[in-house]
Amino acid sequence: DAGITQSPRHKVTETGTPVTLRCHQTENHRYMYWYRQDPGHGLRLIHYSYGVKDTDKGEVSDGYSVSRSKTEDFLLTLESATSSQTSVYFCAIRALQGKYTGELFFGEGSRLTVL
Amino acid sequence: SQKIEQNSEALNIQEGKTATLTCNYTNYSPAYLQWYRQDPGRGPVFLLLIRENEKEKRKERLKVTFDTTLKQSLFHITASQPADSATYLCALDERDSGAGSYQLTFGKGTKLSVIP
Repeated sequence: DAGITQSPRHKVTETGTPVTLRCHQTENHRYMYWYRQDPGHGLRLIHYSYGVKDTDKGEVSDGYSVSRSKTEDFLLTLESATSSQTSVYFCAIRALQGKYTGELFFGEGSRLTVL
Repeated sequence: SQKIEQNSEALNIQEGKTATLTCNYTNYSPAYLQWYRQDPGRGPVFLLLIRENEKEKRKERLKVTFDTTLKQSLFHITASQPADSATYLCALDERDSGAGSYQLTFGKGTKLSVIP
């Protein structure tokens, strides 16, 4: 168990409303990631963080913003949700220290439906 | 353009046989390649990592090869069991390469079904 939790696990919202997904880790890992997974597209990177207040864009960052004010929390915000952002969102942490070799540990996912 | 391809969306195999999944890539320079398993409704789970200077890596019934000349990784499950049925994802890890990125880029996955 890598100590990573996502909330909420399920959310239904309406077009144009803001949405924030939270990823929390208990292991103090430096790197955290947000992916979305859609049929036919696989896992695509939205944003990632390499430290507190240090973030960078991934492949599909348009319409999303992130924040990391503490090591343990990485927030993904949809400022104005659109139907194209209906997806399953996965947070992941990267384990690089000690016995780990750089693998990702994923949360259970947050299923977002935008009506 | 950069591309990662996993040989097929779905693969059916008889129980007890060896399943072989393929991951091909173009215009990447991964220093490492990782394989993950994903069950329906769950997040991916890490299985194996292989470095560019390693030809082969084994873990129990799993074997991974990595050929940087062919730009290909093969993932084998020997003596396959129905419990091995899942989607398997490859991921390119460009850490320590000239790209210097800590992103992992995933293929779309192959859904393996092991038939009893």
